[in-house]
Amino acid sequence: SAVISQKPSRDICQRGTSLTIQCQVDSQVTMMFWYRQQPGQSLTLIATANQGSEATYESGFVIDKFPISRPNLTFSTLTVSNMSPEDSSIYLCSVRDTGELFFGEGSRLTVL
Amino acid sequence: AQSVAQPEDQVNVAEGNPLTVKCTYSVSGNPYLFWYVQYPNRGLQFLLKYITGDNLVKGSYGFEAEFNKSQTSFHLKKPSALVSDSALYFCAVWDGNRDDKIIFGKGTRLHILP
Repeated sequence: SAVISQKPSRDICQRGTSLTIQCQVDSQVTMMFWYRQQPGQSLTLIATANQGSEATYESGFVIDKFPISRPNLTFSTLTVSNMSPEDSSIYLCSVRDTGELFFGEGSRLTVL
Repeated sequence: AQSVAQPEDQVNVAEGNPLTVKCTYSVSGNPYLFWYVQYPNRGLQFLLKYITGDNLVKGSYGFEAEFNKSQTSFHLKKPSALVSDSALYFCAVWDGNRDDKIIFGKGTRLHILP
């Protein structure tokens, strides 16, 4: 199973600022996924990040708001841009290995 | 299109009693089915999965799940609940297509009463 490290684990941010979340995997993986979990809600896929190509965004999510980098097979970043209180969520990085998804511990963002 | 339903927002069970958390799914083809658990302020932890084989799947922490193709269900079960099982449980489905995403249910909060 893959071990995923995410940072920061939590942060409090001011409205209008941007924050970059880092995700490090202990093995090389082709596809990495970024999810959002709003308070009391299920997981919503933001985008799929493939190494060497543009990320693929789900309906309702755009690159300008959530730019993603994937410089190599073990690392990815998600930036939450121009934050508003509605962006307060847990952001989770995950990878798919042998069928199932493995998740990082998540980054809990609170936007004031 | 894939979908998964968890009909209960919350399930309350007395410690020591058996527990069931329900999940039904819809997918074209053969489903990959998963259960995940989320403890407070933590990420999701994988519990178990069904891909093929025996309909009864055993997973972590004494949990098991039964795949029922005719009822399109994948209910999570445990013979004897512990207070430490109190958490948020997510069922998920995937059609096995690399280009398709895994779909999560809305989650069921399990509350074990001491």
